[in-house]
Amino acid sequence: DGGITQSPKYLFRKEGQNVTLSCEQNLNHDAMYWYRQDPGQGLRLIYYSQIVNDFQKGDIAEGYSVSREKKESFPLTVTSAQKNPTAFYLCASSISGGPDYGYTFGSGTRLTVV
Amino acid sequence: QKEVEQNSGPLSVPEGAIASLNCTYSDRGSQSFFWYRQYSGKSPELIMFIYSNGDKEDGRFTAQLNKASQYVSLLIRDSQPSDSATYLCAVGLVGANNLFFGTGTRLTVIP
Repeated sequence: DGGITQSPKYLFRKEGQNVTLSCEQNLNHDAMYWYRQDPGQGLRLIYYSQIVNDFQKGDIAEGYSVSREKKESFPLTVTSAQKNPTAFYLCASSISGGPDYGYTFGSGTRLTVV
Repeated sequence: QKEVEQNSGPLSVPEGAIASLNCTYSDRGSQSFFWYRQYSGKSPELIMFIYSNGDKEDGRFTAQLNKASQYVSLLIRDSQPSDSATYLCAVGLVGANNLFFGTGTRLTVIP
């Protein structure tokens, strides 16, 4: 079955530590996205990528980094510069970037600072 | 700022009733509209999309779009307890590379 796989499901980060969230899709989608979801704030865009080796900052990119070395993979690193990283992180993909296509979401990673 | 507004709720309806969820958007360049359902602790799943003015029906779900008034709604007929979730409205704009999401409306269907 095609879909998006996020791992791990739960992640705990210590102060000052970098952590990487994995996102892999086998839908042959060109575009991939990372969103952060906090209670009552909806989905906020962190980074997106429309093609391999290219990505763009979203609304809240500070303290995060990404790479897109393969079409299937779009990992997100939460760096120590992100001061409030506790949130639910969602990876999504769409057939192509642009307004006409809906997203398929992964199951999410819940990150907690300990 | 691309604003997508939803009433956060909670919206409570009895089982078997029609649930009506509303979404307004600020940008007249909006051309695609999506409804996602998100169960507590889970990720959103796409349930409806609509591009043209009017109604679009899929089973118990009907999406309604009125571009002149800049609103899109989702009707759920014969509501079931399993419909209890948060419903997210998302909008796509001409020239934009991502969708813009509302904060969601929490629906509770009371048995």
